[in-house]
Parts: sequence; C-alpha cells; structure tokens
Amino acid sequence: DAGVIQSPRHEVTEMGQEVTLRCKPISGHNSLFWYRQTMMRGLELLIYFNNNVPIDDSGMPEDRFSAKMPNASFSTLKIQPSEPRDSAVYFCASSLGTRSQETQYFGPGTRLLVL
Amino acid sequence: GENVEQHPSTLSVQEGDSAVIKCTYSDSASNYFPWYKQELGKRPQLIIDIRSNVGEKKDQRIAVTLNKTAKHFSLHITETQPEDSAVYFCAANQAGTALIFGKGTTLSVSS
Repeated sequence: DAGVIQSPRHEVTEMGQEVTLRCKPISGHNSLFWYRQTMMRGLELLIYFNNNVPIDDSGMPEDRFSAKMPNASFSTLKIQPSEPRDSAVYFCASSLGTRSQETQYFGPGTRLLVL
Repeated sequence: GENVEQHPSTLSVQEGDSAVIKCTYSDSASNYFPWYKQELGKRPQLIIDIRSNVGEKKDQRIAVTLNKTAKHFSLHITETQPEDSAVYFCAANQAGTALIFGKGTTLSVSS
C-alpha cells in the first residue's frame, strides 16, 4: 500500500495567490482529516470527512480556507487568497473507521511558505 | 469542547533512563487517548492508545496509564534509546468528535 499521498510536498507562493493542496487517502479508508502544524499552535485539525461528507469544519481558520472531497480517493484544501501567516506544514490523514477513534495514517505533509 | 494540556514541552534524558510525559483533558466524556510520535521532518505515527475501560496498557518499552477521575493520562518510556528522540503528542476525544491533540513534547535522548 502506498499510504496517504499528498502533493505538492513543498509550495512557495506569494501573498494573495491561490494555493491548492491535494490528498489521496489509503484505499478503503472512510475518514479523511486535514491538519495544520506550526511551532506556535502545534497540530490543529482543520476539517474532517466521513464517507466524503464534511463532519466538522470548526477548525477552518476563516473563509479563505475551503476543503472538498468529491470522491473517496481525493480531497483538496484550498487557500484563497494566501497570507504569510498561513505558512505551515499541512498534513492529510485517513482512517478506516468513522468514529475518529481509529488509527490515523498521516501523509508526508505539504510544507507551505507564503512570502 | 475538549482541551488537552501536555507537559513538559521539552524533556532531556540520558540513554537508559525512563521518560514520562503527562497530559490532562477537560471533557469527562472523552474515552479514547492515543499517543503519536513524530520524528524530525517526518509524519506523526501512532505508537500506542488506551480506551477508558482500562487503566494501563503496555507495549514493550512503552506504557500508557489513565486516571479518569483526575482526567489525566501519561506515557512512560523505559530504557530510552537515541531513536526514541522525537516529538510526542497526546490526544483525546469521544466517539464521533474531532481528536484534539496536545501541543507536543520534544524528547531528547543523549547517549
């Protein structure tokens, strides 16, 4: 199994630009999570999906952030417009169950730098 | 909602010593408590978890204890090795809700 796949692995962009992060969960997994990690705030859950349906998006910072999961094998996290404070490592994770109490398998992360 | 506090933020030990990381949680309804390990530049990975129906769980050199009355749980690593050096995150939730992570503990094991 290839594990959770994220792209791009690194992204450098200028303030105001649109950024799209992509994730392919492990085949057969029913839940998908987007996290943001910074030194100051640690590991924060942004949003999670069960069976492609958004369940909890209370962690999405503001309207500039949006996430979609059009099918079981693909999800995107979009930031528009991007700001320097969005610089962070963004992780996607997936799990087999839908109770949020199963092992979460993290992808390698996307390191985003907004100049 | 749930809030998880983790201490200490950094921990330095000598190889062979034990390390203990402690977490407290606020929601008495939480019943699932996993620990994730993140090596430098890598992704977090689950190392052990405990559910509220048990008070302790062990896996080789790693153990987790849970005190539901006091709402705290701890990670114990015995006979530490340099490869144990990493950031450790605790987390807590109840079924169907978001998993809330602590801020992490950076463990350094020197040989």
